[in-house]
Amino acid sequence: KNEVEQSPQNLTAQEGEFITINCSYSVGISALHWLQQHPGGGIVSLFMLSSGKKKHGRLIATINIQEKHSSLHITASHPRDSAVYICAVGQGAQKLVFGQGTRLTINP
Amino acid sequence: DAGVIQSPRHEVTEMGQEVTLRCKPISGHDYLFWYRQTMMRGLELLIYFNNNVPIDDSGMPEDRFSAKMPNASFSTLKIQPSEPRDSAVYFCASSDSTSYGYTFGSGTRLTVV
Repeated sequence: KNEVEQSPQNLTAQEGEFITINCSYSVGISALHWLQQHPGGGIVSLFMLSSGKKKHGRLIATINIQEKHSSLHITASHPRDSAVYICAVGQGAQKLVFGQGTRLTINP
Repeated sequence: DAGVIQSPRHEVTEMGQEVTLRCKPISGHDYLFWYRQTMMRGLELLIYFNNNVPIDDSGMPEDRFSAKMPNASFSTLKIQPSEPRDSAVYFCASSDSTSYGYTFGSGTRLTVV
């Protein structure tokens, strides 16, 4: 069993829909990261969380430390949100352990 | 800051040749990481440094891979000799132990033919 599990692996939705991607982890962490990667592109850090909730534009990330679970939400989804979203956990500034990624496709 | 800078962006080489990937971390970041991404295995850590010292190289596939960080602003990942199975995207990332901020470079797409 992987230390970081994401669901779903693939998600297709229509423009405007509310999107939720889930991440569960089995190791102790000091921070959880949500990353975005467009096809053929680099990796962009969206959020780093150690507790609670963060919001940036249409993106919201939450984490429940006790349940070892995090969610990434996208409100009013848009085709440009189509990308692979990766959950990663780490101890301090040290190495990250990655989930397998969620491939999101938003159709117009 | 220009972010983490990797070069080259793309590299095509013949099997058996030496390949050197380069990375300039964000100034002030004290951790540097080399990751490899493939379709089959996703993102994997190869090696990471703290204050220029290698801390964990357990992800380095074999002796053909080596990494150095001669100073706080430069690191190299070398593959010698290269093999087709080394074809992947190699990402460098740096982070800051005070803020845990994590930044990835744009990656080097390596193709070994």
